[in-house]
Formats: sequence, C-alpha cells, structure tokens
Amino acid sequence: AQKITQTQPGMFVQEKEAVTLDCTYDTSDPSYGLFWYKQPSSGEMIFLIYQGSYDQQNATEGRYSLNFQKARKSANLVISASQLGDSAMYFCAMRGHNAGGTSYGKLTFGQGTILTVHP
Amino acid sequence: KAGVTQTPRYLIKTRGQQVTLSCSPISGHRSVSWYQQTPGQGLQFLFEYFSETQRNKGNFPGRFSGRQFSNSRSEMNVSTLELGDSALYLCASSLGVGAGESYEQYFGPGTRLTVT
Repeated sequence: AQKITQTQPGMFVQEKEAVTLDCTYDTSDPSYGLFWYKQPSSGEMIFLIYQGSYDQQNATEGRYSLNFQKARKSANLVISASQLGDSAMYFCAMRGHNAGGTSYGKLTFGQGTILTVHP
Repeated sequence: KAGVTQTPRYLIKTRGQQVTLSCSPISGHRSVSWYQQTPGQGLQFLFEYFSETQRNKGNFPGRFSGRQFSNSRSEMNVSTLELGDSALYLCASSLGVGAGESYEQYFGPGTRLTVT
C-alpha cells in the first residue's frame, strides 16, 4: 500500500519569496515516481514536476524544484520567487512501479496544502 | 498539442439516474485513469485503462464502470446515482506504463457532477 502525507493544511508566503511544501511518503514498491500538482480554484490539476525514485538528481522545472530525500522518504516541493498566481492547492502524489519498471496506473494523493501568496 | 479534454464540464442529475462522462487523452497517450475528488475523501482512484483493458480498479462499488476505445478515448458510467456521487471527476492520461516510458500523468479540466 502507498501513503502520502502532507502535514501543512495551509501555507502563507510573501510575493517573490521562496516556499517549501512538505511531502512524506510510504511504499513497499521497488521503484516509484513522485509527482506534484497544482489545483487552482478552477479545479484543473496542473502537472508541475516529476521525480523517479532512481533518479540521481533532484528534478527541477523552472521555478519548481523537488527536494528528494529517499532515505527520509520525503519529496518536498520548493517554489522560488513566489508569484500571486501561485496561490492554489498543491498535491503531492505517488505512482508505484513493479520490479520490471511497469507502472501501476494508480496515483495516490496526499490531502493537499493550500498556498496563499501575499503581495 | 491539445491537452486532455473532458465532456461535459458540468452536469446535474437526479438520484437514481445514470450518467456517462467522456475523456479524450492527449494524442499518443495510451493510458487513461479516472479519479473522484470530494471535499471529504479527497482524490480517490477509480480505474485505469490501457490499450482498451482495465488494468487497475479502485475501491468503488460496481455502479462505477468504464471502458476505453481503440482510439484511447475513455468513458466512465455511474448507474443508479446517489447523493454521495456528487464530485469532481478527473481524467488523466499518460504516454505509457512500461519501463522507460513516460509516467507523467496529465489531467483534464474535470466534470463537476451534482446529484440532487
């Protein structure tokens, strides 16, 4: 079974500052992928960043970076230079793979963190 | 490249009715997954289809069913609707599922279903 825990129900950050959203996970799968999604009030889930469990480097996508610490089972999202448009719900999610690398289709999500960016 | 599309975007149904939701994945994507999002339960996995076959199924009653067509488009059906089925239903597509293939899942805008 897989479990994702996001312990911060809400976070506040000043515009142009950096913010870290926490995510810890638990799984027995031999390999797995970790995802972060952004969900604005419109409801659409926007893919932000992906980290494979065997990737040596932390993933980065523009202002988003994933601080992956495998031993601690954490996959925190770092948003640099926050913008007002970053205000949204953020979800951490996991997808397991079997030993052969074939993924299981299911994404397991955390409860989400609401990020509010203040001007 | 067009994203994942879902139709309809909004739907109001009455208890006991049935509903069919449609999802068109990103061109070339073969895997389609469905999720239900409610304020109380969060995001829950319904099922996943790959090459017209259901590969995984979540813990939902048999009233929830789905299928995938040869062009990878997918539909989900909910029969005998209950008030608790009111939710945002999200569809996601990914390129593949095999080793070395992209596992990134891209979501559509969702269908907001209200059951009265």
